[in-house]
Amino acid sequence: IVITQSPLSLPVTLGQPASISCRSSQSLVHSNGDTYFHWFQQRPGQSPRRLIHNVSNRDSGVPDRFSGSYSGTDFTLKISRVEAEDIGVYFCLQGTHWPWTFGQGTKVEIK
Amino acid sequence: QVQLVESGGSVVQPGRSLTLSCVVSGFTFNNYGMHWVRQAPGKGLEWVAVISSDGSDKQYTDSVKGRFTISRDNSDNTLYLQMNSLTVEDTAVYYCAKIDCGRDCPPDSWGQGTLVTVSS
Repeated sequence: IVITQSPLSLPVTLGQPASISCRSSQSLVHSNGDTYFHWFQQRPGQSPRRLIHNVSNRDSGVPDRFSGSYSGTDFTLKISRVEAEDIGVYFCLQGTHWPWTFGQGTKVEIK
Repeated sequence: QVQLVESGGSVVQPGRSLTLSCVVSGFTFNNYGMHWVRQAPGKGLEWVAVISSDGSDKQYTDSVKGRFTISRDNSDNTLYLQMNSLTVEDTAVYYCAKIDCGRDCPPDSWGQGTLVTVSS
């Protein structure tokens, strides 16, 4: 499964919304009906951490300005109002089919 | 407090072998599948391998199949990655991670990573 992430670079203005997309080459609906698609954030110099699991569920401690959605094989991470601490690289991951595959990553930086 | 501590990374020549370790604490290790994820310098994340909680099931990304072996010692709370026939393309920071997520999705945890450099 190929996950195509866009854009690869996203200059943002603090306080403004931002959106990142991932498109899967195949359906990510598991045979059990669930969709295992997740979003991760990697701040500079840090290990990744998961923000969103199973398409749209925020992980514990993740601010509610982060949201995930999908339409078919297109998945979207939205930040309603970007804050300075949101700077970093964002990755999507499909965990439905083996082998799991990440998107290429989107570098979010301040304009 | 959850901790995952990788070790074993070093500079190694192409064709040689290396074994990484990840010692885990702060959660019940034998309840969770465990993963290795790598990141080449300045590049994105690449999922490498997973092992089930009891060690009976393993999956690998295509580029490491037949060369890498994931294993675990539940009595020692340790995850391993044996890497054979290393190539320059295997140069990366290797993270061990608890990122299994089914219908119930426990919090994820990552180590700080260990750097493997394959160079002649």
